[in-house]
Amino acid sequence: NFMLTQPHSVSESPGKTVTISCTRSSGSIASNYVQWYQQRPGSSPTTVIYEDNQRPSGVPDRFSGSIDSSSNSASLTISGLKTEDEADYYCQSYDSSNHWVFGGGTKLTVL
Amino acid sequence: QVQLVESGGGVVQPGGSLRLSCAASGFTFSSYGMHWVRQAPGKGLEWVAFIRYDGSNKYYADSVKGRFTISRDNSKNTLYLQMNSLRAEDTAVYYCAKDYLFYFDYWGQGTLVTVSS
Repeated sequence: NFMLTQPHSVSESPGKTVTISCTRSSGSIASNYVQWYQQRPGSSPTTVIYEDNQRPSGVPDRFSGSIDSSSNSASLTISGLKTEDEADYYCQSYDSSNHWVFGGGTKLTVL
Repeated sequence: QVQLVESGGGVVQPGGSLRLSCAASGFTFSSYGMHWVRQAPGKGLEWVAFIRYDGSNKYYADSVKGRFTISRDNSKNTLYLQMNSLRAEDTAVYYCAKDYLFYFDYWGQGTLVTVSS
């Protein structure tokens, strides 16, 4: 099994752009799709990016996802930050041994 | 609209058992795999178990294998998690989640399980 490593926290000002990384410990990041979930305090997670870079309907285009094989990592980028974007963000991928893996989560503070 | 409603959480002593349920509506339950995911207080998300749409295959996280059993009743649109030999470290909010192509596209509101003497 592999692990997904995220920074514990990031912070940025409203209107700015922030990028959250998710590094896969072994195997290629491109082997299985990466998803990103947003979890606001007291709420259940919701999907903001699926299949590396796809946005579910209703998610603003300020949210984008990408993968980088050279660093074996995925990234979630949020542009035009709003205070409502303040939340925990988790990356997730599928391990071909029939396990689902989450990153440890990143707390985004918009200040 | 998709709705997933968990129930059955509560306080249980170490070594005890509990069965969680997840009532599904708003989609064809029998066509989709389902998961249980948990979140310990103040911690991150941890995948627990998955069951295929027809119940033919089940997979578990190493931390719960041999103690937890996932099942489903497609006639009742309900997902279950039987939890035995509970430990303090199983204390968490348990979410059921619908599978879509190996990711979680809808989540329930969660039910809290507390393992404490």
